[in-house]
Amino acid sequence: AQTVTQSQPEMSVQEAETVTLSCTYDTSESDYYLFWYKQPPSRQMILVIRQEAYKQQNATENRFSVNFQKAAKSFSLKISDSQLGDAAMYFCAYITTHNNNDMRFGAGTRLTVKP
Amino acid sequence: GAVVSQHPSWVICKSGTSVKIECRSLDFQATTMFWYRQFPKQSLMLMATSNEGSKATYEQGVEKDKFLINHASLTLSTLTVTSAHPEDSSFYICSASLRGVRVEAFFGQGTRLTVV
Repeated sequence: AQTVTQSQPEMSVQEAETVTLSCTYDTSESDYYLFWYKQPPSRQMILVIRQEAYKQQNATENRFSVNFQKAAKSFSLKISDSQLGDAAMYFCAYITTHNNNDMRFGAGTRLTVKP
Repeated sequence: GAVVSQHPSWVICKSGTSVKIECRSLDFQATTMFWYRQFPKQSLMLMATSNEGSKATYEQGVEKDKFLINHASLTLSTLTVTSAHPEDSSFYICSASLRGVRVEAFFGQGTRLTVV
């Protein structure tokens, strides 16, 4: 079974600074996708960034970027120039292309942004 | 595009009654819809997967007779919590996917269920 591990229950960052959220996963598949979702207090799940396993280049979306290390099965999220609106729960998620049914989530990291 | 609407956003019901939660894909046809349960400060737990026109596939430990899922059309899936008890109180989230087209799931706003 695939598992996703987020080892940081809580993280804190100063506004305008950079923070990195960690995620590791376990899979025997070679083709899969990884995601970071943000869940603000409204609890609406918002897709932040996605990474295809077959792509070596790390995905980037404005202030959000990932460090994808396939061999190490690591998928960290870097948030640059942190803003107050970035405060939320962040979930790392995995889905295999074999079976699009199963999106598996990590336990989540609560990010606090200090003004 | 790819908007998923979940209704109601919150509901309070009495023990023993049933509650229906709807999940609609507004601007696309969802081949597959998923139902999750989220306890406070915890992650999303997949409860079941539903494909249009077929029976839902439930995760281990989820009572299919208690959590009835119907996916009657490509834009609507419903979750009915039957004979609700206080321990069923939780946050329920649906998502929908376009298998073969888009990989990521699109989430509804969630439903806060409180059973009193």
